[in-house]
Amino acid sequence: ELKVEQNPLFLSMQEGKNYTIYCNYSTTSDRLYWYRQDPGKSLESLFVLLSNGAVKQEGRLMASLDTKARLSTLHITAAVHDLSATYFCAADNAGGTSYGKLTFGQGTILTVHP
Amino acid sequence: AAGVIQSPRHLIKEKRETATLKCYPIPRHDTVYWYQQGPGQDPQFLISFYEKMQSDKGSIPDRFSAQQFSDYHSELNMSSLELGDSALYFCASSSPVQGSQAFFGQGTRLTVV
Repeated sequence: ELKVEQNPLFLSMQEGKNYTIYCNYSTTSDRLYWYRQDPGKSLESLFVLLSNGAVKQEGRLMASLDTKARLSTLHITAAVHDLSATYFCAADNAGGTSYGKLTFGQGTILTVHP
Repeated sequence: AAGVIQSPRHLIKEKRETATLKCYPIPRHDTVYWYQQGPGQDPQFLISFYEKMQSDKGSIPDRFSAQQFSDYHSELNMSSLELGDSALYFCASSSPVQGSQAFFGQGTRLTVV
């Protein structure tokens, strides 16, 4: 059974600081996803990581994937208040031609303070 | 671009009542997934449909059923509602293109009182 674990679960950051969220998954997975969720809102797709060594960046966020270690990271650079949200990583359960059966991590609640 | 449409966006029901949630996938998407997200929890996979047939099943209670219709929209039927069914329910859809990512709808917030 695929299990996904994130840490930390709560992250309080000062504006301008850097930090990393870690995501471990237990078995082989075809893809690793990062989502952002604001309170009561939908899941906004941030990154889809497909292969070992994949690195993607968008603004102040950068995600990477190490399939050998079964580890993905989401690095936040020079945090700003607008980044405050809950961040989920998710892995798919592999197989088939489409990928939507995901196992999510517990989520990391990020709060950025002035 | 068209997104996944869910209706209603909010629903309040009493215990033991029945609720029906609807999902309209992105045009030409043939696979639909349903997720349940309880307060402060991560989304949990419930069930999926590919070409109108159930393709996978997760932690869906026996009181819930779902189907996908000929126009590819899907409905999640929930009976004998319990307080613990209060949650955000998300639908996602994906296309038949090899390696397609699933896209999530805005969700339906169900409150059982």
